[in-house]
Amino acid sequence: LAKTTQPISMDSYEGQEVNITCSHNNIATNDYITWYQQFPSQGPRFIIQGYKTKVTNEVASLFIPADRKSSTLSLPRVSLSDTAVYYCLVGDGGGATNKLIFGTGTLLAVQP
Amino acid sequence: DTAVSQTPKYLVTQMGNDKSIKCEQNLGHDTMYWYKQDSKKFLKIMFSYNNKELIINETVPNRFSPKSPDKAHLNLHINSLELGDSAVYFCASSPWREGMNEQFFGPGTRLTVL
Repeated sequence: LAKTTQPISMDSYEGQEVNITCSHNNIATNDYITWYQQFPSQGPRFIIQGYKTKVTNEVASLFIPADRKSSTLSLPRVSLSDTAVYYCLVGDGGGATNKLIFGTGTLLAVQP
Repeated sequence: DTAVSQTPKYLVTQMGNDKSIKCEQNLGHDTMYWYKQDSKKFLKIMFSYNNKELIINETVPNRFSPKSPDKAHLNLHINSLELGDSAVYFCASSPWREGMNEQFFGPGTRLTVL
């Protein structure tokens, strides 16, 4: 199983770019990497997903090196509302052996 | 037009009781999940159902049993509740397609066992 490791917490200021890294040394060939955001008293919300190289959407970028043993979520120009816990998830989206492992989460605190 | 809904939002009960949490999704997804989030915020998958077939059971005690009356519902039944069952339980759903696993989560049910 691809266990994931993330920093417990990070601090940033408004307007800065934030990069959160997740380690997944035992990632399997069929596994995708997905990041979720969770606010207090709410369920996690999908941010971005990728398999290799770089993926970008309207809210974030995901960088995955060639060996896929880690991934980095990049949040451009964070605001106070980006304060949340960010989870890295590694798993196979289909098939009978679907195994979904969430990381421990990174608490991002954005200050004014 | 809530995508994934759970009831109740809060559940307070005594040790030894049996309780159920309901989950419904109106997204037409084929797969539904139950997660447990403990006080340390670790998010652990408990079950997933694909087209009414259990495909994951992550060493969850057999006091917990998922019931899926149809593709849009996955209820969680818990027997003989213990103090350690206190947590927030999240239901989620996702489409079933190769390699993609975007999950849509419900608002959570906070279970407190006294």
